[in-house]
This record gives sequence, structure tokens and C-alpha cells, in this order.
Amino acid sequence: QQQVKQSPQSLIVQKGGISIINCAYENTAFDYFPWYQQFPGKGPALLIAIRPDVSEKKEGRFTISFNKSAKQFSLHIMDSQPGDSATYFCAAASGAGNKLTFGGGTRVLVKP
Amino acid sequence: NAGVTQTPKFQVLKTGQSMTLQCAQDMNHEYMSWYRQDPGMGLRLIHYSVGAGITDQGEVPNGYNVSRSTTEDFPLRLLSAAPSQTSVYFCASSYGTGTGVYEQYFGPGTRLTVT
Repeated sequence: QQQVKQSPQSLIVQKGGISIINCAYENTAFDYFPWYQQFPGKGPALLIAIRPDVSEKKEGRFTISFNKSAKQFSLHIMDSQPGDSATYFCAAASGAGNKLTFGGGTRVLVKP
Repeated sequence: NAGVTQTPKFQVLKTGQSMTLQCAQDMNHEYMSWYRQDPGMGLRLIHYSVGAGITDQGEVPNGYNVSRSTTEDFPLRLLSAAPSQTSVYFCASSYGTGTGVYEQYFGPGTRLTVT
């Protein structure tokens, strides 16, 4: 049983549009929620992360929204670009964030 | 810095064969770990190490062994390969295990097929 559930599995968005990926978690001990971006043939790379003491974090075109009471968090990609086409993973961890529990991943395709 | 390196990039094994996946990092990171990636499952933690000489099991440790004799290297051994171990394997490292949060750096992966 996955402790972090991610949806959708895939999405297609037009260039300039908004991509939204959602994750839900079960373990209330989780206190670190990173998002990873993975291009084909490469390892995941940290994109953005949030701790539960804030409800939103923005870095450039990428925003994490966090709802502690609902145990949900989401990634918004604004003004999506073809170069954003990749697989995105949400994850969760407690403590130093080393033992990551990943969601199943979302393949994003941005059409020009 | 080369970061996290993994060898080989691809490997095909027959059922019952053994092999070692190599992982090395040159960032003097204390923490290293192995994940496997399967479609729809995300990445799952196999084993991890908080420093030389110290290892522990993750979520899916069965069929795998690890050791950590140096800070730089963290090999993953498949004792008797099974088709269920067909996967992409990623090694990761980070600075430490103390207070604060430490970014995980992932290697490029090893794609393993067991026939």
C-alpha cells in the first residue's frame, strides 16, 4: 500500500498552460515534502520542497501548495514550456529527509 | 565534482546469477542509499547507510545486500537474481543525518534486466 498517492499518472498541456499534480499522504510523521523532476535516462533531481509550517512555496514558475489538515500537497507549473516535459515525483520524509517515500509519478507532456 | 556515479548503465542477467551494482560519490556525503524504480510505483528504498560501516534496510530489502567500507562507495549486491528484480536502480547521497534537511543527489541509474 503506497503511503504517498500521486495523480494523475499522465497529463498533456499546451505550451503556456498550467500543469497541476496532486499528492496525498497517510503518515502524519512526514514533515518534508519534495518534488523531483526526471528526464528520460536520467536520475531524479530536486525541483522544489516544502515543510508543513508554510502553506505555499514558489520558485520561479513552480509552486507547491500544502494542506496539512487534508494531508495533501500539489505542484503547479505555470506557463508550461516544452522543456518541462518530464516525469514528476512527489515524495515525503521525516527528520533529515533522507528516507524518501515516493509517489508513483506523473508523466507531463507539454505540446508546443 | 563527478557527483554520484553508477556502473554499469545497463546489465542483463540470467535467473540465479549474482552481480554487484557500483555506486560512488565524491561529495564527502555521509548518507547514501539505493532505490529501485518500477512503472507506477515511483522509487522505493532498498537499503541505506548513514556512514562508513553502518547500513540498514529500507522498504524492499529482500534479495539485496549492501556494505559501506568507505565514505565514497556503496555497492549493491544481488545474490541470486530473479525476474522480479528487473528494474532501474538509483543510488543517492546527501550530506548528513543531523538536524535540518539534506537534498538527495541521485546518480544516472542502472537498468537491470533478469531473464
